[in-house]
Amino acid sequence: KQEVTQIPAALSVPEGENLVLNCSFTDSAIYNLQWFRQDPGKGLTSLLLIQSSQREQTSGRLNASLDKSSGRSTLYIAASQPGDSATYLCAASSATDKLIFGTGTRLQVFP
Amino acid sequence: GAGVSQSPRYKVAKRGQDVALRCDPISGHVSLFWYQQALGQGPEFLTYFQNEAQLDKSGLPSDRFFAERPEGSVSTLKIQRTQQEDSAVYLCASSLARVEGYTFGSGTRLTVV
Repeated sequence: KQEVTQIPAALSVPEGENLVLNCSFTDSAIYNLQWFRQDPGKGLTSLLLIQSSQREQTSGRLNASLDKSSGRSTLYIAASQPGDSATYLCAASSATDKLIFGTGTRLQVFP
Repeated sequence: GAGVSQSPRYKVAKRGQDVALRCDPISGHVSLFWYQQALGQGPEFLTYFQNEAQLDKSGLPSDRFFAERPEGSVSTLKIQRTQQEDSAVYLCASSLARVEGYTFGSGTRLTVV
């Protein structure tokens, strides 16, 4: 059974710092891995999608990597801004199509 | 539509009341998923449709939960005889193909009092 874990659970940093959010999964037989952002009281916004055959994806200040053999994905946020404050969720897509989510990393970036 | 639309946005139900939550997926999206998100937790899978066929309902917590997608587009999640532990945000997602990832709606926040 796939289990997804995210570390740290919460993170508070000053504006301008570069951040690393970690996601680990127990079953390396994933189809893809997706990172989402969730603002309080809102739904999920897709940030990056990495196919199982890919090593990384980039969008603006965000970079996500995938290492299937070690069961890890990393979301890197460069030059963090207060507007980046949100909960970040990673989710692994299994062979059965459903997403298995981690519990998220709650990020606060203060001015 | 441009995105996944869910209604109502908020729902307060008295314990024992039946509720129906609606999801309008992106036009043409074949796959539709329902997730339940408790406060401070990640979303948990409930059920999955491919067109009108419900392929996986293993995440539905009890037989009080029922989902349908009769014409392969709009889906309804029904909860009968609601209980306090049903209080959560219910998220709907749709996908054209798994390789393109999933698009989520804003969710319905259900509070059972």
